[in-house]
Amino acid sequence: KQEVTQIPAALSVPEGENLVLNCSFTDSAIYNLQWFRQDPGKGLTSLLLIQSSQREQTSGRLNASLDKSSGRSTLYIAASQPGDSATYLCAVRPTGGFKTIFGAGTRLFVKA
Amino acid sequence: DAGVIQSPRHEVTEMGQEVTLRCKPISGHDYLFWYRQTMMRGLELLIYFNNNVPIDDSGMPEDRFSAKMPNASFSTLKIQPSEPRDSAVYFCASSINGVLPQHFGDGTRLSIL
Repeated sequence: KQEVTQIPAALSVPEGENLVLNCSFTDSAIYNLQWFRQDPGKGLTSLLLIQSSQREQTSGRLNASLDKSSGRSTLYIAASQPGDSATYLCAVRPTGGFKTIFGAGTRLFVKA
Repeated sequence: DAGVIQSPRHEVTEMGQEVTLRCKPISGHDYLFWYRQTMMRGLELLIYFNNNVPIDDSGMPEDRFSAKMPNASFSTLKIQPSEPRDSAVYFCASSINGVLPQHFGDGTRLSIL
C-alpha cells in the first residue's frame, strides 16, 4: 500500500531564505508525482508535475526533483517570500490508475 | 476560464439530513474527481469519473455516500443520512485526459451537527 510522508510538518523561515521540502513514498511504481499549494480556505493549486521518467521540473523559483529508486522527492523554493506562505502537498499517482495518494503537507510560514 | 465551481461553499446541517454537494468541472475536461479532506486523514480520493462514467468508487466510505455525473458539466455527491463524522471539506477536481494536473475547486466545508 502506497504511503506518502512529508517532512517537516511545519516550517518557519525568514524572507529571502532558500528552503527544501521533502516528500517520501513507499512504492516506486508511480506514474507521476505532483506538488500542490493550498492556501487557507482554498482548493489545491498544482505547482509542478514530474512524470516517472523525469528527474526534475522547474517553474520560476520552484524546482522539484524525483528519485524513484529511493522513493523521494524534494521541492526547492529559492529566495522565499511572505506570499509563499501556504501548505505544500506532495501527491503520488500510481501506475495503472488514478488513485492519487496525498501526503499530509508541510505548512510553510515565511516571515517578512 | 471560470475554473472548477463547487456549491455550496459552506453547509451546516443536522445529523440524519440528506446533503447534496455540487460541482461544475472546467469545460472540456473529461475526468472529474471527488476528494474529502480532514485533519485526521488528510486528503482522500472518494470517486472519479471519466466521460461521465464512474471508474473507481473504492474510496467511498459507506453506502450512505453516492455520486453521479448526469452530464459533462455537472456532478453531485450525496450523503444520506449524514453523520457528524462526515464533517470535512469536500473538493471536486477535473482534468484533461487524466494525465495533466488536476484543477481543484475551492471546496465545500460541511459540518454535521
